[in-house]
Amino acid sequence: GQSLEQPSEVTAVEGAIVQINCTYQTSGFYGLSWYQQHDGGAPTFLSYNGLDGLEETGRFSSFLSRSDSYGYLLLQELQMKDSASYFCAVRAGGGKVTFGTGTKLQVIP
Amino acid sequence: SQTIHQWPATLVQPVGSPLSLECTVEGTSNPNLYWYRQAAGRGLQLLFYSVGIGQISSEVPQNLSASRPQDRQFILSSKKLLLSDSGFYLCAWLRGESNTGELFFGEGSRLTVL
Repeated sequence: GQSLEQPSEVTAVEGAIVQINCTYQTSGFYGLSWYQQHDGGAPTFLSYNGLDGLEETGRFSSFLSRSDSYGYLLLQELQMKDSASYFCAVRAGGGKVTFGTGTKLQVIP
Repeated sequence: SQTIHQWPATLVQPVGSPLSLECTVEGTSNPNLYWYRQAAGRGLQLLFYSVGIGQISSEVPQNLSASRPQDRQFILSSKKLLLSDSGFYLCAWLRGESNTGELFFGEGSRLTVL
């Protein structure tokens, strides 16, 4: 089966940089995605890594190391609106997509 | 453009009653479809996924079932709800041939079982 581990909570200061890590165990790995979810809402897609390395999308970057079964999401120039839960998700063979436990990010002034 | 609709948005049901949640995708064909459940303050638990009509993969069989009667329709059902079925149910779709892994989610259905 699949399992994904993330820190449960992270607190960071507005304007700073924060990194959220994700380690996974899976068979038939296709890629790692990141999602943001505000309280009461549905998750929204942030980034995807199918290959090793860094993907950059504006203030958000995501990194993948398939040999280490590890990835991270990097948020730069933090804003108050970035306070939310962040999930990593593994896409495996056969169309299966499994989510991590989620990291609640609190941005403080 | 593609859209995904999920209903009802909110429902309160007694223990032992049946359930039917419906999800429809527009603007795409042969999508992968997913049902997730999220308990308050928790992660997304994969319940079912489907890569085609009539093809359902179950992750948590328990008292829930799913069906895909049409290419862009995905239904989650239960014959008898349990208290533990309370949660936020999310339908999502993914392009089967997608190389970005991007899931598109519906607005969610919040179920309270009393």
